[in-house]
Amino acid sequence: ILNVEQSPQSLHVQEGDSTNFTCSFPSSNFYALHWYRWETAKSPEALFVMTLNGDEKKKGRISATLNTKEGYSYLYIKGSQPEDSATYLCASHYNQGGKLIFGQGTELSVKP
Amino acid sequence: NAGVTQTPKFRILKIGQSMTLQCTQDMNHNYMYWYRQDPGMGLKLIYYSVGAGITDKGEVPNGYNVSRSTTEDFPLRLELAAPSQTSVYFCASSYPEQSSEQYFGPGTRLTVT
Repeated sequence: ILNVEQSPQSLHVQEGDSTNFTCSFPSSNFYALHWYRWETAKSPEALFVMTLNGDEKKKGRISATLNTKEGYSYLYIKGSQPEDSATYLCASHYNQGGKLIFGQGTELSVKP
Repeated sequence: NAGVTQTPKFRILKIGQSMTLQCTQDMNHNYMYWYRQDPGMGLKLIYYSVGAGITDKGEVPNGYNVSRSTTEDFPLRLELAAPSQTSVYFCASSYPEQSSEQYFGPGTRLTVT
C-alpha cells in the first residue's frame, strides 16, 4: 500500500511569517508530485506538478522543491497572508494510469 | 468552459436508498476520477477512468459503481446507501500526461441517515 505523509497536520502562523510543510512519499516507481491548494467550501486547485529530481517551482510567494531519491517535497510560503489560509494537499503519481495518492493535507491558518 | 460540473450539490439519503452522482467535463479530458473526502483523511480515490468504456477501481471502491459511456460524463452510482458513505464527493478530470494537473468539480455533500 502506497502511503503519502504530510507534516505538520496543522499550522497556525501570524501574518508576515514564512512557513514550510513537508510531503513524504515512496520513491520507487515515482512519476510526479502534485501540490494542491484547497480553501474551505471550495474544490482543490493545482499549485505545482513536479517530475524531476531537484525540480523547483515558484508561483508568487509560494515555491516547492522535489527530491525523488529520498522521497520528499517541501512547500514554502514567504510572508504568509490571511488569504493563504487553506489546506495544502500533496499527491504522488506512480503509474501512467493517472492515479494520484493523496496525503492527508496540512491545514494552514494565518492570523492578521 | 464550465470545467468540471457536479450535480447535485447536496443530498440526504436514507439507509438502503440508491442514487447517482453526476459529473461532466467540457475540457475533452481523457482521464476522470471520483474521490471522497473524509475529515482528516485527505482525498481517497473511489474509481477512475482513462477513457470512454474503461474504468478501474481506486482505493475505496466498495459500495460504488461507475460507467463511462462518453468522454464527457462519469457518473458514480451508490447502491444500498450506508451511513459510512456520508462524505463529500469530488469528481476530477485531467489530460493523460503524467505531469497533468487534475481539475476538480465543486463537490457533492452526501448524508446518509
